[in-house]
Amino acid sequence: DVKVTQSSRYLVKRTGEKVFLECVQDMDHENMFWYRQDPGLGLRLIYFSYDVKMKEKGDIPEGYSVSREKKERFSLILESASTNQTSMYLCASSFWRSSYNEQFFGPGTRLTVL
Amino acid sequence: KNEVEQSPQNLTAQEGEFITINCSYSVGISALHWLQQHPGGGIVSLFMLSSGKKKHGRLIATINIQEKHSSLHITASHPRDSAVYICAVSSPYSGGGADGLTFGKGTHLIIQP
Repeated sequence: DVKVTQSSRYLVKRTGEKVFLECVQDMDHENMFWYRQDPGLGLRLIYFSYDVKMKEKGDIPEGYSVSREKKERFSLILESASTNQTSMYLCASSFWRSSYNEQFFGPGTRLTVL
Repeated sequence: KNEVEQSPQNLTAQEGEFITINCSYSVGISALHWLQQHPGGGIVSLFMLSSGKKKHGRLIATINIQEKHSSLHITASHPRDSAVYICAVSSPYSGGGADGLTFGKGTHLIIQP
């Protein structure tokens, strides 16, 4: 069974802390994505990666960075967490050659920044 | 950039009712996706379609490419169908790069016993 896992389901951090969210997929997918989901706004793309050490900005990259040192792992980093980064964070992956871009999602991490 | 609109935003219905959720988009696409998100967060793909109609159990998805419109239908709805249903499109015009999806804001469906 295909699987995308995320390091935490729930996370509480303080303003100014450095936060790492980890995502691992076991499907040998080239593409990996980080989204945030907020009520009334839907899912918005933060960053994506199409290969190891490659990254591209999405629609809302400000305040975030990413790291992809291994094909199966994609990390989202909040350098200095702020309260407006309280959100649900979802990771997804897909095959690079998928014409239709079917993405497989992780369970999500609900991050609260106090 | 593609704009994806879903309606209704919220829908409450009685068990057994026929449900329709609509999705429209603004520019040409390579595929349209219907996703389901249960409370707790995980998102699963229900359908991926580029033309015509697909059926899986009590769920039916249709797409009209000329009108840039898709519908998701649930027949004989059940309380376990309660979830957020999300429409997403993939196209060269999607924000976030060639492989990005553009998402609608979702439809929150509640089926009451």
